[in-house]
Amino acid sequence: NAGVTQTPKFQVLKTGQSMTLQCAQDMNHNSMYWYRQDPGMGLRLIYYSASEGTTDKGEVPNGYNVSRLNKREFSLRLESAAPSQTSVYFCASSEVGGVEAFFGQGTRLTVV
Amino acid sequence: EDQVTQSPEALRLQEGESSSLNCSYTVSGLRGLFWYRQDPGKGPEFLFTLYSAGEEKEKERLKATLTKKESFLHITAPKPEDSATYLCAVRSTGFQKLVFGTGTRLLVSP
Repeated sequence: NAGVTQTPKFQVLKTGQSMTLQCAQDMNHNSMYWYRQDPGMGLRLIYYSASEGTTDKGEVPNGYNVSRLNKREFSLRLESAAPSQTSVYFCASSEVGGVEAFFGQGTRLTVV
Repeated sequence: EDQVTQSPEALRLQEGESSSLNCSYTVSGLRGLFWYRQDPGKGPEFLFTLYSAGEEKEKERLKATLTKKESFLHITAPKPEDSATYLCAVRSTGFQKLVFGTGTRLLVSP
């Protein structure tokens, strides 16, 4: 049982480049989330999908887009990367009526 | 706005030296308070959920407690393998998101 799987684990981008972070979960959860983690800032919610077919903005959505491809997969896209988007990105999932969220191992992104 | 504050930011203990981590929170209506453990380079690992004041949960050397304003993570006789960052988060009623504190970095020396 893999849980929540994120790809890639590491990525270096140049300013202005685009990329998509992939996330898949095998726990049959309805809700999925993207967080970023920065030193001294804690985990901050970028976007979430309460259920398949819906997405909503979180605390820091600017510069990002998301796609809930199906129940298992939730991707995060950076259209034009900026140095301020250098961070560690975590995907998480939970039951829609549940409370706990389970996290992937993270993607460490550096924008130069 | 929901807020979570954790203290101390960092804590260094000797092996066997018990202590507590604090998580203070303000939330419009508490649906759950969570404790996670995060090792360097890894994602947060779920430890406990607490739902109402007075509730307690235990796992090995860890015990989490909850009041109406704060939660404590008590670590009894810690071992070096307990070294990690411990994160606290809350979820309020009617909202999907978890709001996290910035964590307490725990280092247990042998």
